[in-house]
Amino acid sequence: EVQLLESGGGLIQPGGSLRLSCAASGFPFRSYAMSWVRQTPGKGLEWVSAITGDGSDTYYADSVKGRFTISRDNSQNTLYLQMNSLRAEDTAVYYCPKGSGTSRPYYFEYWGQGTLVTVSS
Amino acid sequence: EIVLTQSPGTLSLSPGERATLSCRASQSVRSGYLAWYQQKPGQAPRLLIYGASSRATGIPERFSGSGSGTDFTLTITRLEPEDFAVYYCQDYGNSRTFGQGTKVEIK
Repeated sequence: EVQLLESGGGLIQPGGSLRLSCAASGFPFRSYAMSWVRQTPGKGLEWVSAITGDGSDTYYADSVKGRFTISRDNSQNTLYLQMNSLRAEDTAVYYCPKGSGTSRPYYFEYWGQGTLVTVSS
Repeated sequence: EIVLTQSPGTLSLSPGERATLSCRASQSVRSGYLAWYQQKPGQAPRLLIYGASSRATGIPERFSGSGSGTDFTLTITRLEPEDFAVYYCQDYGNSRTFGQGTKVEIK
C-alpha cells in the first residue's frame, strides 16, 4: 500500500525558514517523480515543485523560484522541501503527491494527508 | 502557461442525478494529458481520471472522462452520497496547473 506522510509544518514568522519532509513507502521510491502541491485555506490547488526519480532535475513554480528547494534521499525514501524567505502568501497545506512515472509527463497517483504551514507574525 | 477554467463553480444536484463538469483550457492540452481529482472536506485529493478518459485504479464506472484539445468533461452518471465533493482538473502535460474546482453539492 502506498503511503505518503508529510511533516515539518507549523507556525513561522515572515522571512523565516522551514523544511518539510515526506516519508514514502509501499513503492520503489527512486522510480517515481515526486512533487509538492499546496492548497491555501478554502482555495484551490497550486503545484509548487517537482523532482525526477533520480533527483537529477528539479522544477519550480515562479511563485517560489529562488526561495524553495526540493530534494530527495532515495536511500531513505524521503522527499524534502526547504522553504526560505517565507511570506504570508505561502500559508497553505502542503502535499507531496507521487507521480505516475519517473519523469514528465505524469499525473498525481497518490497523495499524503498534507502538512499545514502558517506564515504569520 | 495553460489556464484551466472549470464550470460551473457549483453544481447543486440530488443523489441519483447525472453530473456534468466542464474544464476548458486556454490552449490545447498536449496529447490529452488531462487529469481529474476529487477532494472531500478535510481530505487530500484523490485521482479519478488520467489521460482525459482513463479511470484510475478502484474508481467506479459511474465516473467517466472525455474530451480533447481544449474542452474536457467529467461525467458522473448517477450521483451517490459519497460523490458530493470538489472536483479539479489538471493539465499534467505542460504547465501542471489546476482548474479552480467545481463543487458538487446536495440540492
